[in-house]
Amino acid sequence: GEQVEQLPSILRVQEGSSASINCSYEDSASNYFPWYKQEPGENPKLIIDIRSNMERKQIQELIVLLDKKAKRFSLHITDTQPGDSAMYFCAASDTGYQNFYFGKGTSLTVIP
Amino acid sequence: GGIITQTPKFLIGQEGQKLTLKCQQNFNHDTMYWYRQDSGKGLRLIYYSITENDLQKGDLSEGYDASREKKSSFSLTVTSAQKNEMAVFLCASSLQGADTQYFGPGTRLLVL
Repeated sequence: GEQVEQLPSILRVQEGSSASINCSYEDSASNYFPWYKQEPGENPKLIIDIRSNMERKQIQELIVLLDKKAKRFSLHITDTQPGDSAMYFCAASDTGYQNFYFGKGTSLTVIP
Repeated sequence: GGIITQTPKFLIGQEGQKLTLKCQQNFNHDTMYWYRQDSGKGLRLIYYSITENDLQKGDLSEGYDASREKKSSFSLTVTSAQKNEMAVFLCASSLQGADTQYFGPGTRLLVL
């Protein structure tokens, strides 16, 4: 099975509403969960991350939640703007293996 | 701050050709990665390296070789390019595993 599952693969929301992306992981040893935003023709850029010693982290309009028991983490973008339209990738990593597993990505479109 | 450079930016090859992609980083990071990204899809790990002269296979290593000649550089070789192959190869580096990964701008490969 997939190490990291990411849903939905496509997400369309109205400007000003919230967008949520959910990821689940298999390896209970995973302890670092970054989120990347990739705009067309650009490389992925880190937008927010969370480590396993936290359950919630917020940077401006970005909120990430981590449920270690359920092995799930999620990204919530509040008050979405057209500039938030992009591909978003979640990932999970374990310090022991120095390996990252990425989700397959979510294509977010914010409709003006 | 640091920077990751990838050369070439665009690579056009012939079927069966051996092609080499290069990556340099000046973050002084220990770990470097090579990913393949097919259009509209997620990132798949080809190889990673945790230190100079180290190589670790990712899920997609078949058909590729890699070399970590020195701490700052990590090269990837497509051993035999497949006809009509089209993908972006992304190099990344991080201080250690389970740390923020910084991505290079990518090499866009097209095989005729």
